[in-house]
Amino acid sequence: EAQVTQNPRYLITVTGKKLTVTCSQNMNHEYMSWYRQDPGLGLRQIYYSMNVEVTDKGDVPEGYKVSRKEKRNFPLILESPSPNQTSLYFCASSKTNEKLFFGSGTQLSVL
Amino acid sequence: QQPVQSPQAVILREGEDAVINCSSSKALYSVHWYRQKHGEAPIFLMILLKGGEQKGHDKISASFNEKKQQSSLYLTASQLSYSGTYFCGTEWGSDYKLSFGAGTTVTVRA
Repeated sequence: EAQVTQNPRYLITVTGKKLTVTCSQNMNHEYMSWYRQDPGLGLRQIYYSMNVEVTDKGDVPEGYKVSRKEKRNFPLILESPSPNQTSLYFCASSKTNEKLFFGSGTQLSVL
Repeated sequence: QQPVQSPQAVILREGEDAVINCSSSKALYSVHWYRQKHGEAPIFLMILLKGGEQKGHDKISASFNEKKQQSSLYLTASQLSYSGTYFCGTEWGSDYKLSFGAGTTVTVRA
């Protein structure tokens, strides 16, 4: 089944403790992206990648890192999480300039 | 530089129509429309490319006015299943930097 898999689904952590949210797609898509969703603000793009080893900043990249070493994986790294990074995170993938397929989301709480 | 969506929310009775607008401050390359149900991931509705093309999906259609830098989503003869939050996503070039609006919450009542 074609899908974007994110893990974990829920994550509670403390300020400053490094964490990684994984994202994997099985559709051989070139494009992958991370969004955060906050009430009243919609989906804001954090980082995106057009292909392996090619990443670029979205609208809200501060405090996040990504890597794209393999085409199928695009992990989101929070080196030192802070409470303002508490949010619902979505990974998405697509063929270039086509519709996005979203993962099921990761609800992150930073205490 | 998120696109601006209006209205923020709309309440409809089954069978009524609604229009959701998405405006950009910059020239648009493409517009995406997605619908999200509470607690779920957004689901794709349609993509419009510059050229003023109008697309349709069942009784949901959209237009893209390049000159006005805006797109509109039309919900016709709404059904209960149309309830959710609708997001437009805009690209200003072909680099696929896709920015979404804040969303429009649609509630359809019986």
